Amino acid sequence: EVQLVQSGAEVRKPGESLKISCKGSGYIFTSYWIGWVRQMPGKGLEWMGIIYPGDSDTRYSPSFQGQVTISADKSISTAYLQWSSLKASDTAMYYCARRDNDVLTGDKWFDPWGRGTLVTVSS
Amino acid sequence: QSVLTQPPSVSAAPGQNVTISCSGSSSNIGNNYVSWYQQLPGTAPKLLIYDNNKRPSGIPGRFSGSKSGTSATLGITGLQTGDEADYYCGSWDSTLSPVFGGGTKLTVL
Repeated sequence: EVQLVQSGAEVRKPGESLKISCKGSGYIFTSYWIGWVRQMPGKGLEWMGIIYPGDSDTRYSPSFQGQVTISADKSISTAYLQWSSLKASDTAMYYCARRDNDVLTGDKWFDPWGRGTLVTVSS
Repeated sequence: QSVLTQPPSVSAAPGQNVTISCSGSSSNIGNNYVSWYQQLPGTAPKLLIYDNNKRPSGIPGRFSGSKSGTSATLGITGLQTGDEADYYCGSWDSTLSPVFGGGTKLTVL
C-alpha cells in the first residue's frame, strides 16, 4: 500500500525554527514528486512547492519562495518542509502528497495524501 | 483568491443528485486535465477524479467528472449523508504548477 506518513503536531513560538517530515512507503520514493500543501484554518488548499527526491529538483510557488525550504533524504524515503523563523500566520495544517501521473495522457494529480501536520505558532 | 473558481456551497437532500462547477481559464483548465478531491471533516484530501473523468479504484460510480473548455464539473448521484464534505478541483497552470479551486462545501440536508 502506498502511504505517506507525516510527523506529529507541533507548537512553536514566533521566531522559532521548525522542520516537519513526510515518509513515503510502498513505492519507489525516488521516482515520484512530493508536493506540500497548506490549509489555513477554515480555508482552502494552497500549493507551496514540490520536490523530486531522485535528484532533489525543487520548485516553489511564488507565494512561498523564500518563506520555506523543501528538502528530501532519499536514503530514508523522507521529504521535509522547514521554516527558519515562524510567524503566527504560519499556523495551519500542512499536507504532503505524492504527484502521480498518466504517461499516456501526461496528466498529473496528487495521490495519496498524508494525514497532515498541524503547526501552531503562538506566543 | 484561488485560481480556479468554485461555488462556496451546494446542498441537496439524500438520494438526489448534485453538481459542483469549477471555472478556470485557457492558462489552466483549458489546456490541462482536471482532478477532484474530497475532504471529509477533519481528514486529509482524497483523490476522487483524475484525467477529467476517471475514478481511482475504490471510488463509487456515483461520482463522475467532466470537462468542457475552461470549466469542469463534478457530479454526484444518489447523495448519501456520508458525502458531506468539502470538494476541491485541481489543475495545472502554464508553468506546470498545480492550482486549486477554493473548495465547495456539500451539505446533505
